[in-house]
Amino acid sequence: DGGITQSPKYLFRKEGQNVTLSCEQNLNHDAMYWYRQDPGQGLRLIYYSQIVNDFQKGDIAEGYSVSREKKESFPLTVTSAQKNPTAFYLCASSPLGRSSGANVLTFGAGSRLTVL
Amino acid sequence: AQTVTQSQPEMSVQEAETVTLSCTYDTSESNYYLFWYKQPPSRQMILVIRQEAYKQQNATENRFSVNFQKAAKSFSLKISDSQLGDTAMYFCAQGAQKLVFGQGTRLTINP
Repeated sequence: DGGITQSPKYLFRKEGQNVTLSCEQNLNHDAMYWYRQDPGQGLRLIYYSQIVNDFQKGDIAEGYSVSREKKESFPLTVTSAQKNPTAFYLCASSPLGRSSGANVLTFGAGSRLTVL
Repeated sequence: AQTVTQSQPEMSVQEAETVTLSCTYDTSESNYYLFWYKQPPSRQMILVIRQEAYKQQNATENRFSVNFQKAAKSFSLKISDSQLGDTAMYFCAQGAQKLVFGQGTRLTINP
């Protein structure tokens, strides 16, 4: 079945450590996204990419980094510069263009990061 | 800047009732899409319904329908014959190449 796989589901990090969250999709979607979700808040965009080897900052990119070396993969690194990294992270993908599914986000199951 | 506002943090209705969730947005884009997503306790985000802004006809998906008022920048979701499985957080989202989400409405369907 096609879908998006995020790993790990739960992750614990000590302060000062970088961690990388994995996101893989087999939907052949061009665009991929990372969102952060905090309690009582909606989803906030961290980074997005519409093509391999290119990505753009979202609204809260500070303290995060991404890469897009393959169409299927869009890993997110939470660096030690991120001051409040404890959150639920959601990866999503979508087709682009004028198809009926264009801009419809398909989400992974999420990764819960806790800083100890 | 794009903004999406959901003014109802929580709602609760009885099973089989009809409920309407409100959403307003602001954007300078001329071509965009509007969405309602559902997030049940599993936290998996699920698409409920999608509306293309250039279409005047309101989208419907079985028991779910929207009231899209483009001039007022309003996009409400109506759930008819509500079911226990509809209990979830509901997020309104707007955008073209990237989506902006509202803060969500926690909907509880009571037996």
